[in-house]
Amino acid sequence: KAGVTQTPRYLIKTRGQQVTLSCSPISGHRSVSWYQQTPGQGLQFLFEYFSETQRNKGNFPGRFSGRQFSNSRSEMNVSTLELGDSALYLCASSPPGLSTDTQYFGPGTRLTVL
Amino acid sequence: AQSVTQLDSQVPVFEEAPVELRCNYSSSVSVYLFWYVQYPNQGLQLLLKYLSGSTLVKGINGFEAEFNKSQTSFHLRKPSVHISDTAEYFCAVTPGSSNTGKLIFGQGTTLQVKP
Repeated sequence: KAGVTQTPRYLIKTRGQQVTLSCSPISGHRSVSWYQQTPGQGLQFLFEYFSETQRNKGNFPGRFSGRQFSNSRSEMNVSTLELGDSALYLCASSPPGLSTDTQYFGPGTRLTVL
Repeated sequence: AQSVTQLDSQVPVFEEAPVELRCNYSSSVSVYLFWYVQYPNQGLQLLLKYLSGSTLVKGINGFEAEFNKSQTSFHLRKPSVHISDTAEYFCAVTPGSSNTGKLIFGQGTTLQVKP
């Protein structure tokens, strides 16, 4: 099976712009979670989608949003980019979305905000 | 709410020596525990997980971890490390009582294996 894929791998934006990141989960996986990784804050949970519904949300401002499509692919959007949004954004998928299920991570999208 | 503390930010060790990476957690409910590894410019890979049962969990690449409920710890060990084990290691928890894809991570420990 192909692993979790994320596109693009690298992205450079300027402050005030918006960006959309894409995540394709492993075939058959229905849960997709997003994380932000920065040197200062470490790995922080953004949100989780299961069957096109947001099931959990982390403590991020409303500029961060996401959605999931019927084929389980997910996108996250960040509007009005700030310098502090520069980070590695990781997507992870798991089968039915139970706590016991292993989350499989993609390679991430590295976003640089100038 | 849950939290995870990884007690060492960096652990230098010589090749073929044993290593222990320490992880403590805080939670008012039961949790599931995980260790992930991240190699440079890559995503996270699961090393092992504790859900229930035996408190000694064996994972990939010769790693193992022991769950200690009284000390709320989940330390990762390897009896003999290799240069290729150089990476960042993350301990994570998720509430065991609900269906959720939310992992709460520690700050990470960089393992530096020296020849």
